[in-house]
Amino acid sequence: GAGVSQSPSNKVTEKGKDVELRCDPISGHTALYWYRQSLGQGLEFLIYFQGNSAPDKSGLPSDRFSAERTGGSVSTLTIQRTQQEDSAVYLCASSLGPTETQYFGPGTRLLVL
Amino acid sequence: GESVGLHLPTLSVQEGDNSIINCAYSNSASDYFIWYKQESGKGPQFIIDIRSNMDKRQGQRVTVLLNKTVKHLSLQIAATQPGDSAVYFCAENPHNAGNMLTFGGGTRLMVKP
Repeated sequence: GAGVSQSPSNKVTEKGKDVELRCDPISGHTALYWYRQSLGQGLEFLIYFQGNSAPDKSGLPSDRFSAERTGGSVSTLTIQRTQQEDSAVYLCASSLGPTETQYFGPGTRLLVL
Repeated sequence: GESVGLHLPTLSVQEGDNSIINCAYSNSASDYFIWYKQESGKGPQFIIDIRSNMDKRQGQRVTVLLNKTVKHLSLQIAATQPGDSAVYFCAENPHNAGNMLTFGGGTRLMVKP
């Protein structure tokens, strides 16, 4: 079946602009996660959605970062007033439930000039 | 598998040999561990997982070993193939801190034909 999809695959923006990144999880998966991967680094947790519960935002690095998940499916990660240090690959994952295996999408490569 | 920024630890093996990739995890409360494979330009791909009530689990050509006493995880790949060349990440799921994954820094596996 279809895996996790993300769009756009690449995004180049200017410092100070806002960006929106989209994630379509695997159908039926109730849990959705956003991670960030800087060049040559491991993955850093950003935010977690489970069903209709309040999201776990403990990994968001600043208040410029926010995310929504509409209808328990698609999620959008928004970065306001982008900075050069925001340049990274933003990865989305979903799992059938909160303790199940997380499957990752291909990521969105963000470059802030 | 400690994080060393841009300079990932690298394991170079001959095609057909067995590979062993090691990882030290940090949280003694973690009860679920996963190995992911990440090829250049792609998202992490699930390989194998293990729960803390086991010390060994086998898949197709891969085996994961868990030593909770020393908080050590290893991934063994039998008869390594060129297609196994990638960066391998271990991840732990410390449920006492939420359902997000905490990733190690990664190990680059290079398979020489």
